[in-house]
Amino acid sequence: GDSVTQMEGPVTLSEEAFLTINCTYTATGYPSLFWYVQYPGEGLQLLLKATKADDKGSNKGFEATYRKETTSFHLEKGSVQVSDSAVYFCALSPMNNAGNMLTFGGGTRLMVKP
Amino acid sequence: DAGVTQSPTHLIKTRGQQVTLRCSPKSGHDTVSWYQQALGQGPQFIFQYYEEEERQRGNFPDRFSGHQFPNYSSELNVNALLLGDSALYLCASKRGPRGYTFGSGTRLTVV
Repeated sequence: GDSVTQMEGPVTLSEEAFLTINCTYTATGYPSLFWYVQYPGEGLQLLLKATKADDKGSNKGFEATYRKETTSFHLEKGSVQVSDSAVYFCALSPMNNAGNMLTFGGGTRLMVKP
Repeated sequence: DAGVTQSPTHLIKTRGQQVTLRCSPKSGHDTVSWYQQALGQGPQFIFQYYEEEERQRGNFPDRFSGHQFPNYSSELNVNALLLGDSALYLCASKRGPRGYTFGSGTRLTVV
């Protein structure tokens, strides 16, 4: 079945450092890919998405490119802030799935120090 | 505009009991999905409701059941609770092909 694998955390960075969180997936065809963020005590918020190969999703300085050849969707940000501290989840929705059921990775906790 | 509202926010139940969790979708949304998020893990899909019917179901036992009402709100019921059912239960809603909006969840502790 479909699956998503993320790098394990926590990832600890200093403010203004470069961020990469790796995500790879296994799925049939061309799923839609997502990054969600979860702040303490809150639900999930959609950060960005990409629906076809070579698409780049971006939001709030975060970017991720849909790489079909490597089945990856790595999250990047050029300069992190303390307020970016949260848990980040990579997810996919199978192609031809009208319900958009989401399969999530295990999450990566990011801690940014001032 | 209120987003997805879940109640209660926290509750504690004893093994073997039954529990009902409630979800009010975001205004204008007609599809509701439920996810279970165990501590330190990613959410896992339980089931989805649309037009008051269960449309998709994940790999969860029949102890997990749900309902959607005509106003699109939804309930998640879990019977014969096990310690392993302790988790954050997330409700998400959408309309059509648009992406899901998630609620803040209900934290269930089974003792």
